[in-house]
Amino acid sequence: GESVGLHLPTLSVQEGDNSIINCAYSNSASDYFIWYKQESGKGPQFIIDIRSNMDKRQGQRVTVLLNKTVKHLSLQIAATQPGDSAVYFCAEYGAQKLVFGQGTRLTINP
Amino acid sequence: DTGVSQDPRHKITKRGQNVTFRCDPISEHNRLYWYRQTLGQGPEFLTYFQNEAQLEKSRLLSDRFSAERPKGSFSTLEIQRTEQGDSAMYLCASSEAVRFNTGELFFGEGSRLTVL
Repeated sequence: GESVGLHLPTLSVQEGDNSIINCAYSNSASDYFIWYKQESGKGPQFIIDIRSNMDKRQGQRVTVLLNKTVKHLSLQIAATQPGDSAVYFCAEYGAQKLVFGQGTRLTINP
Repeated sequence: DTGVSQDPRHKITKRGQNVTFRCDPISEHNRLYWYRQTLGQGPEFLTYFQNEAQLEKSRLLSDRFSAERPKGSFSTLEIQRTEQGDSAMYLCASSEAVRFNTGELFFGEGSRLTVL
């Protein structure tokens, strides 16, 4: 993964709108790609994963898309709520460990 | 509470002192991971255990760092002769080593270290 330094990419959305968070990954050999949510002062929390041989997976209010051609992963959150405010990290799982990528800070405007 | 527990939550120490963090994983999770996270960064892998065996260590884990999981349950991470660059959040996570492990780790709330 690629670190983002002190200035996280940010995304601001209106409450009720859909959010799309993007991530570029580096290791094509990863078995799974995962999205984690981290709220202030807490550890990361698993949201959803996608196996490397899939291109789309849906969960409750979330959808993950995987484009292996361009090594791109996205997380779509439907009807964004105030509780969705957090930093979102993409991660690659392979060789028994997670490697986290860049984080994006999602802010919800009322 | 049956989640991953870390202690202490906050530790302030002077440069050169030793510190130890403890992690109690979710019971019956046989994998335990340590990560380090600095401000604005994603967590960085340090090391992991399967039961009591330490299977991998990152190059980030210098000789001043040591981790143990003596009985395959709780784990400790010790940092000797702390340096200001060690200031970070130390995160512990656990998981089940099932056949189709997907990378779903359960993280604790972390131990924040400040080295003065």
